[in-house]
Amino acid sequence: GENVEQHPSTLSVQEGDSAVIKCTYSDSASNYFPWYKQELGKGPQLIIDIRSNVGEKKDQRIAVTLNKTAKHFSLHITETQPEDSAVYFCAADRGSTLGRLYFGRGTQLTVWP
Amino acid sequence: GAVVSQHPSRVICKSGTSVKIECRSLDFQATTMFWYRQFPKQSLMLMATSNEGSKATYEQGVEKDKFLINHASLTLSTLTVTSAHPEDSSFYICSARDTGRATNEKLFFGSGTQLSVL
Repeated sequence: GENVEQHPSTLSVQEGDSAVIKCTYSDSASNYFPWYKQELGKGPQLIIDIRSNVGEKKDQRIAVTLNKTAKHFSLHITETQPEDSAVYFCAADRGSTLGRLYFGRGTQLTVWP
Repeated sequence: GAVVSQHPSRVICKSGTSVKIECRSLDFQATTMFWYRQFPKQSLMLMATSNEGSKATYEQGVEKDKFLINHASLTLSTLTVTSAHPEDSSFYICSARDTGRATNEKLFFGSGTQLSVL
């Protein structure tokens, strides 16, 4: 099966700075890579995703990059705000309806005001 | 995005009782739903895949007689924790994909259920 590694496990940044979270995956057949934000006591919220036929995708302050050759993808958050503080999970999937997501271990992001 | 509703959000029960958790896709149909378990400060662990009209598929190590899953319609899946014990205390989360969409990789999650067994 797929193995998704996520780093770092914790990340602290000052408000306004950028934050980068990196993930690697093992299954070359994986072609869909979502990122989730989870606040305490809540379910994960999909914030951005990317398919393997795209190298980069951006949505306002959030961007995801994918290097399919190296099997790694990253989440970039610019101009961080305290409300960005949460746990972020990366995941990988083969993209079919019946497929399952393989999650990284999560990154606790703390943005200090 | 699609909305997945999960109830209850929090439940406290006595050891030996059974607890049912509901997961509904509010504005889309979901042939398949997924049930996850999450311990504090850990990642999501897939427990089982719920299939509409057929038996659920359980991950290795998950007791199917302990965690009963029913997916009776295209918008509702339930997870029943039977004869709950303190070690079953955890955060349970359901998720679903919109099988009616042409691009349907996106997996949407419910808000989770915190189960505490006394």
